[in-house]
Amino acid sequence: DGGITQSPKYLFRKEGQNVTLSCEQNLNHDAMYWYRQDPGQGLRLIYYSHIVNDFQKGDIAEGYSVSREKKESFPLTVTSAQKNPTAFYLCAVSRGRLNQPQHFGDGTRLSIL
Amino acid sequence: GQQLNQSPQSMFIQEGEDVSMNCTSSSIFNTWLWYKQDPGEGPVLLIALYKAGELTSNGRLTAQFGITRKDSFLNISASIPSDVGIYFCAGPGVQGAQKLVFGQGTRLTINP
Repeated sequence: DGGITQSPKYLFRKEGQNVTLSCEQNLNHDAMYWYRQDPGQGLRLIYYSHIVNDFQKGDIAEGYSVSREKKESFPLTVTSAQKNPTAFYLCAVSRGRLNQPQHFGDGTRLSIL
Repeated sequence: GQQLNQSPQSMFIQEGEDVSMNCTSSSIFNTWLWYKQDPGEGPVLLIALYKAGELTSNGRLTAQFGITRKDSFLNISASIPSDVGIYFCAGPGVQGAQKLVFGQGTRLTINP
């Protein structure tokens, strides 16, 4: 969706290395989300944030960390503790009100070297 | 937690055929969302439904919010090659949590 920028499109991680995926939005939406998608699978929620300086763990937060220092930015760090990081990572945003749809970026594909 | 079951998991059809897929929930939802994901891209919102019984169209796509509030249906008429992709249903998780629960997706393949 326009207004949501994920970078890079492709990322490679060495063993024991932390990597950070970027998600930026210019929609002035309050809520931001990170999902992981494995081949042939649905979306699993990693972390989400409904307001600056606050975030909550999703269903698979272990091995990941986030920050929300600015409304427009919600970076995701894949730490060395995440033993199976190869996946497609999707960032989403919404107005944050109940039942509001989420809109997605184009994703980052992370692979292990 | 809440789960969404999509059916079928995959479909192989001929160009021009109509397509039907559905999504069922173990609990009542008050919103249903349908997304389409092209390979290597993020999901794009197709249709949002907010009222039981609601029937909404978006071009050749029609979605319905089931009367029981535990299911939703998506139909595609006269399929074309660009309809290929994965279709996801989604709905709000635990009330007030402002999270979405996603189905596993229906993969649509079209033979020209």
